[in-house]
Amino acid sequence: GAVVSQHPSWVICKSGTSVKIECRSLDFQATTMFWYRQFPKQSLMLMATSNEGSKATYEQGVEKDKFLINHASLTLSTLTVTSAHPEDSSFYICSAETGDTQYFGPGTRLTVL
Amino acid sequence: GENVEQHPSTLSVQEGDSAVIKCTYSDSASNYFPWYKQELGKRPQLIIDIRSNVGEKKDQRIAVTLNKTAKHFSLHITETQPEDSAVYFCAAINGAGSYQLTFGKGTKLSVIP
Repeated sequence: GAVVSQHPSWVICKSGTSVKIECRSLDFQATTMFWYRQFPKQSLMLMATSNEGSKATYEQGVEKDKFLINHASLTLSTLTVTSAHPEDSSFYICSAETGDTQYFGPGTRLTVL
Repeated sequence: GENVEQHPSTLSVQEGDSAVIKCTYSDSASNYFPWYKQELGKRPQLIIDIRSNVGEKKDQRIAVTLNKTAKHFSLHITETQPEDSAVYFCAAINGAGSYQLTFGKGTKLSVIP
């Protein structure tokens, strides 16, 4: 089946620093990737839709200048959390689309001190 | 936009019994309904899906039914086992758009040995 990797799997950073998370589709090309955020015991909330070669589409309430998304190739999308604060601590999961099926990465647990 | 409601939020069953999780959706244009199983700290895993041209789909102990008229779909797990314990999410996609998944809030299933 389709495999999506995410790196790093967990990261701890100081408040005010930036963190980059990579999402890769390993055995297929994904024109569209999605970034989700999941708080403990809650559902996945879509943050943005990332299309290769174009600007990401952000959901309402998600700051595009804070959560920078780059989808430079058909197999890689990156999410950069800029000037991270403790409230940004969460589980960030990407997914890559093939057909109309989405395959999820293993997630990145971000803790901002 | 699409809105997906999921019930119950928690469900406890005895091993061997059946479990049923129900979801409703609001957008009549939605045409693809996947179900995901998520274990603690791990990625959501697609377990079964159904498209709008089908009323029922079964895969071993797991089945999904769809009622397009009523705009609801359900997950049925028979002969539950302890390893079925996880959080289950239903989702809906409006295939006429960008294939964005809208998730339900999740159901925490506990199978008691």
